[in-house]
Amino acid sequence: QVQLMESGGGLVKPGGSLRLSCTTSQFTFSDYFMSWLRQAPGKGLEWISYISRGGNTIHYADSVEGRFIISRDNAKNSLYLQMDSLRAEDTAVYYCARVKSGAYYFDFWGLGTLVTVSS
Amino acid sequence: ETVLTQSPVTLSLSPGERATLSCRASQSVRNYLAWYQQRPGQAPRLLIYDASNRATGIPARFSGSGSGTDFTLTITSLEPEDFAVYYCQQRSDWPLTFGGGTKVEI
Repeated sequence: QVQLMESGGGLVKPGGSLRLSCTTSQFTFSDYFMSWLRQAPGKGLEWISYISRGGNTIHYADSVEGRFIISRDNAKNSLYLQMDSLRAEDTAVYYCARVKSGAYYFDFWGLGTLVTVSS
Repeated sequence: ETVLTQSPVTLSLSPGERATLSCRASQSVRNYLAWYQQRPGQAPRLLIYDASNRATGIPARFSGSGSGTDFTLTITSLEPEDFAVYYCQQRSDWPLTFGGGTKVEI
């Protein structure tokens, strides 16, 4: 069974930084594009970034461009999100998700990790 | 940016009834649309991709249709576990966007 597990969330002050991790198992991580998405409390889903299999193609939503950096370590089957200059509006549950082969849909998701940006 | 508008916002039905959910795109997304189910406290689950293809393990009571700007998710006979929030998502252009969701409640 494909598994993804996020970690690294928590409470951070505005302007602060956090690094999220997503550890995966039960599939060949290096064969898949991966993505980060988020969901603000009581709100809908927002895609924020994706990274290609080798990490050479990366795309961000405008809302996080220049502040967040996605990366991956295929040897560790892990995905990361470095979040800098955090704002209150970044408060959300952050999900990592596997991108379905051949199509930018998300076929497996982790359970999410909560990031709260507050003073 | 392609805006996806879902309707209704809330759908109140009983187990065994048919649910019809709508997703309208602000511009054509061809057939590049997916549907997800999110139960309370859980991660979203992919139900339908490319408008009408069921994802692995999804029961046949879930079906999708449409192309261009108008799409429908149909649940033929609601089971208790189907009461959840449903989101559509397009992959036709960047950024990838989601609809605001439809809550199917008892």
